[in-house]
Amino acid sequence: GNSVTQMEGPVTLSEEAFLTINCTYTATGYPSLFWYVQYPGEGLQLLLKATKADDKGSNKGFEATYRKETTSFHLEKGSVQVSDSAVYFCARDSGGGADGLTFGKGTHLIIQP
Amino acid sequence: GAVVSQHPSWVICKSGTSVKIECRSLDFQATTMFWYRQFPKQSLMLMATSNEGSKATYEQGVEKDKFLINHASLTLSTLTVTSAHPEDSSFYICSARMSGANVLTFGAGSRLTVL
Repeated sequence: GNSVTQMEGPVTLSEEAFLTINCTYTATGYPSLFWYVQYPGEGLQLLLKATKADDKGSNKGFEATYRKETTSFHLEKGSVQVSDSAVYFCARDSGGGADGLTFGKGTHLIIQP
Repeated sequence: GAVVSQHPSWVICKSGTSVKIECRSLDFQATTMFWYRQFPKQSLMLMATSNEGSKATYEQGVEKDKFLINHASLTLSTLTVTSAHPEDSSFYICSARMSGANVLTFGAGSRLTVL
């Protein structure tokens, strides 16, 4: 079945540090890949997405590239801010466009000033 | 942009009672809505897919009679937790797919506490 694996947290970084959160997915079908962010006490917000191999999703300084050869969709940001502290979820769909998403377990990111 | 509203945000109920959670798409029509459950510090688990005008499709292991889903209109889906017990305490999140689009919009979630 479909699954998504992302690195365990919490991840604690200093402000302006480089961020990488690893995410890999099972290579079934032709999924679209997503990163969602959940700020404390709020619902999930779509951060970025990629719909096919080699696509790069980007938003708010975050980037992730759809790597079919490594079945990965790692999230990166060059210089994190305290306001980036949140839980980040990697997710995939089934590829058919009609099903719900399969989420990774989430990575809690803590940015210290 | 697309907005999904959930109500209530917080609910506390006694064991044995039923609780209804609403999920509304405020500015778009959603033929499909999804219900997720999130345990503390864990991922979201898909419970069921709700299609307007038809029966919901439940994921394996989710009790249909326990979690009743009704998607009566293109802008409203409801989840009713029947005869709630403390183990049903959780964060329930809905998402809606705009008709013809491949992006999900999530509600802010509803936290259920069963005493």
